[in-house]
Amino acid sequence: AQSVTQLGSHVSVSEGALVLLRCNYSSSVPPYLFWYVQYPNQGLQLLLKYTTGATLVKGINGFEAEFKKSETSFHLTKPSAHMSDAAEYFCAVIYGSSNTGKLIFGQGTTLQVKP
Amino acid sequence: DTGVSQNPRHKITKRGQNVTFRCDPISEHNRLYWYRQTLGQGPEFLTYFQNEAQLEKSRLLSDRFSAERPKGSFSTLEIQRTEQGDSAMYLCASTPSSGWNTEAFFGQGTRLTVV
Repeated sequence: AQSVTQLGSHVSVSEGALVLLRCNYSSSVPPYLFWYVQYPNQGLQLLLKYTTGATLVKGINGFEAEFKKSETSFHLTKPSAHMSDAAEYFCAVIYGSSNTGKLIFGQGTTLQVKP
Repeated sequence: DTGVSQNPRHKITKRGQNVTFRCDPISEHNRLYWYRQTLGQGPEFLTYFQNEAQLEKSRLLSDRFSAERPKGSFSTLEIQRTEQGDSAMYLCASTPSSGWNTEAFFGQGTRLTVV
């Protein structure tokens, strides 16, 4: 079955440290790839997406992600964490075999930022 | 337009009661999606509409669940004879048909608690 795996349900970093959140998908056909962020009691907000073109994509709030087809990965990074980055992060994919736009989400990673 | 709106934000109901949630999408978006998110998990797809037509339903959507989108505007999700396992956050999202693979705009969700 098509799935998305996020390694690590909780990640803790110090303020100013590198953030790395991992995401792998299961498909031989590259899907459309997304990272969403969810703050407490809020809906999901798009951080960045990969559809076609350049494999390194930049998003809001200094986040970026690189699509690596050979590794079926789309890891999210940020060079320097801020306290305001503390939230839950979801990797999601749309498999392009149909045009439903149905998102398949990973289980999420909670990012904690320590002062 | 302030985005996708969901009402109510919270609903507590007794087991066996029926509940109905409402979603108002972004006005020019003709696709509308429902997802369910349980604690510690990513959202799971339930169903989606293009205009007033319901085009796909997940097997998660048992016969106690029904969704409508009359006139292709707002949508309602009804759960009949609620069970404790229905307790979750119900999220609505919308996209334009032409942008189904670009960004889904999410509402803040309706949190259902069945007691």
